[in-house]
Amino acid sequence: AQKVTQAQTEISVVEKEDVTLDCVYETRDTTYYLFWYKQPPSGELVFLIRRNSFDEQNEISGRYSWNFQKSTSSFNFTITASQVVDSAVYFCALRNLYGQNFVFGPGTRLSVLP
Amino acid sequence: EPEVTQTPSHQVTQMGQEVILRCVPISNHLYFYWYRQILGQKVEFLVSFYNNEISEKSEIFDDQFSVERPDGSNFTLKIRSTKLEDSAMYFCASRGTSGGSVAEQYFGPGTRLTVT
Repeated sequence: AQKVTQAQTEISVVEKEDVTLDCVYETRDTTYYLFWYKQPPSGELVFLIRRNSFDEQNEISGRYSWNFQKSTSSFNFTITASQVVDSAVYFCALRNLYGQNFVFGPGTRLSVLP
Repeated sequence: EPEVTQTPSHQVTQMGQEVILRCVPISNHLYFYWYRQILGQKVEFLVSFYNNEISEKSEIFDDQFSVERPDGSNFTLKIRSTKLEDSAMYFCASRGTSGGSVAEQYFGPGTRLTVT
């Protein structure tokens, strides 16, 4: 069975602080895909990144970076110099190669205070 | 940029009524999905649809639910007799075939269903 755990239910930081959101996953598949989505207060799901299980290179996109550690089954997400607009719920998700559906984690609510 | 659209954005209905949630997937996509998110909870898979039939469904997707692609553009989710616990945000998603099975799913903005 597949499972995604996001142990941090809520995080509050002050603007310009760095923050890391944790994601730990479980799967028996050797090929799978990991995702991060942002859900702002308006409710839509905004795609942030997809990473496949064969690519353990860390990725940086602007203030966002992702650390994929297959050995610990983790796919953590760091926001550098956080901004108020980063306030949202962030979901980590998993999908296997042939699976049709995502398994989402419970989400982490990030509040960035001015 | 092409996007998935959903209507209505908010639907209020009385318990026991039927509702139809509508989605217009991205035009050249062939795989369609519905997900549900109860307020404050995680997003849950409901059903996937390909080639005019359901390819996978979760245990949430019971006989009260059905999906249909009535024409070349719409993809609908019908709840036959709504219950209070059906109140949630419902997301439609679609994906194409480029990139094989790794093609991304694009999510619509969601329809918030409130059952009173």
